[in-house]
Amino acid sequence: QKEVEQNSGPLSVPEGAIASLNCTYSDRVSQSFFWYRQYSGKSPELIMSIYSNGDKEDGRFTAQLNKASQYVSLLIRDSQPSDSATYLCAVNGADTGFQKLVFGTGTRLLVSP
Amino acid sequence: DAGVIQSPRHEVTEMGQEVTLRCKPISGHDYLFWYRQTMMRGLELLIYFNNNVPIDDSGMPEDRFSAKMPNASFSTLKIQPSEPRDSAVYFCASSWDGSSYEQYFGPGTRLTVT
Repeated sequence: QKEVEQNSGPLSVPEGAIASLNCTYSDRVSQSFFWYRQYSGKSPELIMSIYSNGDKEDGRFTAQLNKASQYVSLLIRDSQPSDSATYLCAVNGADTGFQKLVFGTGTRLLVSP
Repeated sequence: DAGVIQSPRHEVTEMGQEVTLRCKPISGHDYLFWYRQTMMRGLELLIYFNNNVPIDDSGMPEDRFSAKMPNASFSTLKIQPSEPRDSAVYFCASSWDGSSYEQYFGPGTRLTVT
């Protein structure tokens, strides 16, 4: 059973701080790694994709990937109350051609004004 | 371009009734995924299609669930008969072969079976 593990939280940070969200995965063959943001009562929204080791930055978001440690993280700089949501980590695997994603249970982030 | 479209957005039905959920993927996307999300189990993949052909239905919970994709722009997920434990949010997502496996989700259907 391929697994993706996340701390359920909540992770509480003050406005303007850096929020650090972490995810580990079990399938060494995984090639693609994603972060989705899900507001309460809404659908998951893709915010970051990362495919190779290292950092990828997009605005206030930075995704970090370490395949050797099977670890992927998401940093949110200058956190805003509007960033309060659940963040889902998703990883693909070798099953049926890598199109299949396995999702973690998500980390709930709370940003206080 | 319009995103993934799902209908209905909310469905309340009685145990034993048939429920049909509908999805229209993003135009040009050749992969379509059905997920179920509950507090207890999180987001689970039920089935996915490639070019209208079911590829992996290992997540379908039991024979009461069935899914079809008669053409590139339409898919259904049917539950017959429905049970209270089927209450969940059902999402449809789509992707295309050149998208590096990125999936885009529809707004979901919140199903309540009483």
